[in-house]
Amino acid sequence: GENVEQHPSTLSVQEGDSAVIKCTYSDSASNYFPWYKQELGKGPQLIIDIRSNVGEKKDQRIAVTLNKTAKHFSLHITETQPEDSAVYFCAARAGANNLFFGTGTRLTVIP
Amino acid sequence: GAGVSQSPRYKVAKRGQDVALRCDPISGHVSLFWYQQALGQGPEFLTYFQNEAQLDKSGLPSDRFFAERPEGSVSTLKIQRTQQEDSAVYLCASSLAPGETQYFGPGTRLLVL
Repeated sequence: GENVEQHPSTLSVQEGDSAVIKCTYSDSASNYFPWYKQELGKGPQLIIDIRSNVGEKKDQRIAVTLNKTAKHFSLHITETQPEDSAVYFCAARAGANNLFFGTGTRLTVIP
Repeated sequence: GAGVSQSPRYKVAKRGQDVALRCDPISGHVSLFWYQQALGQGPEFLTYFQNEAQLDKSGLPSDRFFAERPEGSVSTLKIQRTQQEDSAVYLCASSLAPGETQYFGPGTRLLVL
């Protein structure tokens, strides 16, 4: 099955700086890569996703890049704000099946 | 509009008890997934429904775990004879159609004593 690795496990940045989280996947059949934000006591919330026919996607301060050859994808958050503090999960999926998640990155934005 | 809802939000069970966890997906969503999230980990797949059909149950950890979605909307995850290792957050997600975005509920936090 698919194996998704995520780094770093924790990340602290100053408010206004950028944050980058990286993931790798093992299954070359994976073609959909969402990123979820999970706040304490809540379920994961989709923040951005990318499909394998696209190399980059941006939505305001959030961007995701995908390198299919290397089997890795990254989340970029610019101009970080305290409310960005949460646990972020990357995931991968082949076809219409279930998601395989990374182990999460706890992001702390220091005011 | 209303998102995915789950109940109860918290459940404490004594070891050996049976529990039932409910998921109300977004109205009209065909696909429904159950995931288990251990403390400090990412969600792990348990089972998948398309309408009332359970198409994949490969993630269920043992035959003590059973899920159903008899009318293609509400789903129930049942755990029989709970064990301490069953303690986790159980997440439900739904999507409008296969391959579409999965929207998660708030989860049910199960603690087995």
